[in-house]
Amino acid sequence: QPQLQESGPGLLKPSGTLSLTCIVSYVSISSGNWWSWVRQAPGKGLEWIGEIYHSGITNYSPSLKSRVTMSIDTSKNEFSLRLDSVTAADTAVYYCARVTASGGGWMYYFDYWGQGALVTVS
Amino acid sequence: QSVLTQPPSVSGTPGHMVTISCSGSSSNIVSNTVNWYQQVPGTAPRLLIYHNDQRPSGVPDRFSGSKSGTSASLAIGALQSEDETDYYCAAWDNGLNAYVFGGGTKVTVL
Repeated sequence: QPQLQESGPGLLKPSGTLSLTCIVSYVSISSGNWWSWVRQAPGKGLEWIGEIYHSGITNYSPSLKSRVTMSIDTSKNEFSLRLDSVTAADTAVYYCARVTASGGGWMYYFDYWGQGALVTVS
Repeated sequence: QSVLTQPPSVSGTPGHMVTISCSGSSSNIVSNTVNWYQQVPGTAPRLLIYHNDQRPSGVPDRFSGSKSGTSASLAIGALQSEDETDYYCAAWDNGLNAYVFGGGTKVTVL
């Protein structure tokens, strides 16, 4: 079954850029699934950041759209998240996840998750 | 303020049933299927229910999901101490063109 693993710096300064990579194992990132990022601020709920398809098509959360860029490298079987102009409010555990979907958003869910990466902005 | 509304907490005694509600709108729960995730603090969420009422392999049949109109529910039957953790509902929102979560519900086993 798929395994996902986030990697990237755990500490950032305000106004900096957050960069995380999700390495996918045991399944091709070009398999037909979308790939997503979700974050969770300390003590808070889950927040969807966006998603990317192996072709490079992206879809971002309206609240983060102006600062988010996602990319994908099919040769390395990994995808990445970039979040610009970070503040303390971006401190969170960032998860990457595999999307299983059909009918647009009619059936859409995350069936595999990475373990999460804590990113602190301070 | 979450797009989907869940009670912050529910509690129940071992062996009994608890139900968690998830309230949404025509742009999310009515139009699309609902999923539930279980999250033990400090770990990644785990898919518990997808497509309103389907259980992934390995999820006990004590967990069941349902949907009616603008609301969905997760029922945990025969409550066990290991069920004491956080639960989130989620669905795609056509108006926002985004995947939205409920605020989460903490289940306490008394």
